[in-house]
Amino acid sequence: QKEVEQNSGPLSVPEGAIASLNCTYSDRGSQSFFWYRQYSGKSPELIMFIYSNGDKEDGRFTAQLNKASQYVSLLIRDSQPSDSATYLCANQAGTALIFGKGTTLSVSS
Amino acid sequence: DAGVTQSPTHLIKTRGQHVTLRCSPISGHKSVSWYQQVLGQGPQFIFQYYEKEERGRGNFPDRFSARQFPNYSSELNVNALLLGDSALYLCASSPPSGVNYGYTFGSGTRLTVV
Repeated sequence: QKEVEQNSGPLSVPEGAIASLNCTYSDRGSQSFFWYRQYSGKSPELIMFIYSNGDKEDGRFTAQLNKASQYVSLLIRDSQPSDSATYLCANQAGTALIFGKGTTLSVSS
Repeated sequence: DAGVTQSPTHLIKTRGQHVTLRCSPISGHKSVSWYQQVLGQGPQFIFQYYEKEERGRGNFPDRFSARQFPNYSSELNVNALLLGDSALYLCASSPPSGVNYGYTFGSGTRLTVV
């Protein structure tokens, strides 16, 4: 059974802090990893994808991938109240994306 | 450019009924996938279609079926609805590429079975 595990949270950080979201996966053959943001009552929105070991930066977001440890993380710098949402980690397994249950982030002003 | 469009946005059905959900992918995208998201869970893969052919199927009963049309739009059909089928049904499209840069989801159809 291919699984993606996330801490459901909630993760609470003050405005301006760094939020760190973590994810582990079971499929050692996975090559592609994605982070989606989902606001309450809305559909998931792709914010980052990463294929190679190491870091990938896009604005305030940094995705980190460690295939040896089967670990993916998302760092959000200078967190804003508008970042408050559920963050879903996913990896590609064949034609499917396997999602974790998501981590709820709350940024307080 | 229009994104992924889904209809209807909300639906209420009675147990045992049948439902059809519709999806139009982003222009130029030939692949459509369907996901079910139950409250508090991540989306779960149901089907993927590419060029009108089923390319993948998740662990869902045969009550769930889908098809893709020549214009790449798609329908998801669910027969003999159960209370547990209440969920947000998401359609995602992706471009024809050997590398997946991530799926774009539509706004979803929220199905309530009573």
